[in-house]
Amino acid sequence: GQQVMQIPQYQHVQEGEDFTTYCNSSTTLSNIQWYKQRPGGHPVFLIQLVKSGEVKKQKRLTFQFGEAKKNSSLHITATQTTDVGTYFCAGPTLFSGGYNKLIFGAGTRLAVHP
Amino acid sequence: KAGVTQTPRYLIKTRGQQVTLSCSPISGHRSVSWYQQTPGQGLQFLFEYFSETQRNKGNFPGRFSGRQFSNSRSEMNVSTLELGDSALYLCASSLGTPSNYGYTFGSGTRLTVV
Repeated sequence: GQQVMQIPQYQHVQEGEDFTTYCNSSTTLSNIQWYKQRPGGHPVFLIQLVKSGEVKKQKRLTFQFGEAKKNSSLHITATQTTDVGTYFCAGPTLFSGGYNKLIFGAGTRLAVHP
Repeated sequence: KAGVTQTPRYLIKTRGQQVTLSCSPISGHRSVSWYQQTPGQGLQFLFEYFSETQRNKGNFPGRFSGRQFSNSRSEMNVSTLELGDSALYLCASSLGTPSNYGYTFGSGTRLTVV
């Protein structure tokens, strides 16, 4: 079945360093969503990318959707301790009943050392 | 406006018992999905309900069931609990199809089976 894979699984950075997580799908995606889960919290929706090659920015966060719509990345510039958490990508997969559902990647856990 | 409310927040049950978890979505959201989150398996899709109908179901045994009421509130039930059912159960609501609108997650119910 369709899989959404994320790398790396863990990333430790010094505060101020950049961070990137990558998401790859085994099939072409109609769109991709990104979520952040703080330690002890729940996933929070960050953004959705729809167009091939799309790039969106949220302050220090830059999201990209690949030209083939099979991969995506999240880049954080100059990390801060508030960036700590697990970042998930999620893509839709077609369910046999005709409706699609969101498949989440395993997530990338980011630790930031002050 | 109120977020997604899940009750209870914590639950301890004995193997073999059954449990019912509750979720109240954001007002106006008709889609409610349930996910199981464990350290080893990440976010696993359980099912999605829309206007009281189950639209999607994940690969979980029949011991896991759910329903949605006319006011969009949802419940999930797990019968004959096993130790492996210990997890964080997350409810997520969406304005429409989650892959189009994204999810708003609740804080989750932490279930421990002993």
